[in-house]
Parts: sequence; C-alpha cells; structure tokens
Amino acid sequence: AQTVTQSQPEMSVQEAETVTLSCTYDTSESDYYLFWYKQPPSRQMILVIRQEAYKQQNATENRFSVNFQKAAKSFSLKISDSQLGDAAMYFCAYDSWGKLQFGAGTQVVVTP
Amino acid sequence: DTEVTQTPKHLVMGMTNKKSLKCEQHMGHRAMYWYKQKAKKPPELMFVYSYEKLSINESVPSRFSPECPNSSLLNLHLHALQPEDSALYLCASSQVGRGPATNEKLFFGSGTQLSVL
Repeated sequence: AQTVTQSQPEMSVQEAETVTLSCTYDTSESDYYLFWYKQPPSRQMILVIRQEAYKQQNATENRFSVNFQKAAKSFSLKISDSQLGDAAMYFCAYDSWGKLQFGAGTQVVVTP
Repeated sequence: DTEVTQTPKHLVMGMTNKKSLKCEQHMGHRAMYWYKQKAKKPPELMFVYSYEKLSINESVPSRFSPECPNSSLLNLHLHALQPEDSALYLCASSQVGRGPATNEKLFFGSGTQLSVL
C-alpha cells in the first residue's frame, strides 16, 4: 500500500518570501504521478502542480515549483514570492490506478 | 465549461431521513468520484465510476448508495446516516486513465457540507 506523509502541520511565511513544504511517500511502483493540491477556506480543491515520476525534470507552474527526488521518494513544494491568496491547506497526493491518496496536509499561513 | 457543480451546498438531515447529493459536469469526463472529508483531514476516496460503471468502492457502508445515471451526472443517496457521517462530501471528475499511472487531473466541485443530527 502507498502512504503519503506530510510532516509539517503548519508553515508560516511573510508576503514576498519563499516557503517549502515537504512530502514523502512510500511505493513499490515505478510509474506514478504526484500532485500538490491547494484547499483554501472555500474548501474547493485546486490542483497546484503535477509531476510525472518518469520525468527527471522538476515541474514548475509560475511561482510554484517542486523538488522531486525519486530515489528518496521525496516531493517538496516551493512557493516563491508568497501572496496572501496562497494561504490555504496544501495536500500532497499520490496517484496510482485511479486512486488519489492524500497526505495529512500542511496549513500555510501568510503574514503581511 | 471546466466546472463540477454540486448541490446542495449545505444539507442538514436527521438519522431517519433519505436525501441525495448531486454532482454534474459537462467536460466530457468519463470518470467521476465521491470523496468524504472530515474537518482538518484529507479527503478520503469513497467511490469511483468509470464509463458509468462502479469501478472502486472503498468499503463504504451501505447507507451510502452511489448512482451514475449518465456520463454527466453522479448522485449519492443517503439513508439512515449516523452523526459521524457529518462531513464535507466532494465530487470530482477526470478523463479516464489507463494503466498504473492515470495522470489525469481531477476537477473538484466545491462540496456539500452535510450535518447529521
């Protein structure tokens, strides 16, 4: 069975600064996808970024980038130039055979 | 249209009531999902429909009964629920994936907040 671990319950960052959220996972499969989802107070789940396990290159979406270390089974999310609208719960997720498994989540607090 | 629409947004029901949650999408997606999310917890998968057929049931109690009448619509029928079933119920849709890594982006609705009294 796959497990996804987010060890940081909460992270605080000042506006315009950078914050990194950690995620580790456990799997015996070689082909899979990893995701970061954002859930603001509205509780709508929003896809932030997606990484394909067979790709060496780290995914980037504007101010969001990942550091994917396949051998270490690590998938961290970096938010650069943080904005107040980035405040939300962030979930790391692993996809295999159509089942998305989420980590416990990290609450990001952005201070002015 | 890239929306998944869920109704109602809020629902309060007694333990003897029968109610239904509705989810609709018009993106041509053939996979649809129900997730349950308790406060401050991650979503937990309940059911997956692929081409209108139930493909995954995560051992959900029979008081939850899913239905997929067509490719755009997904219902969740509720009967004799317990107070511990109070949660946010999220619907999602995606293209049908193939193989071990589906890689398909899930589009989520904004959920139905359910309270069972």
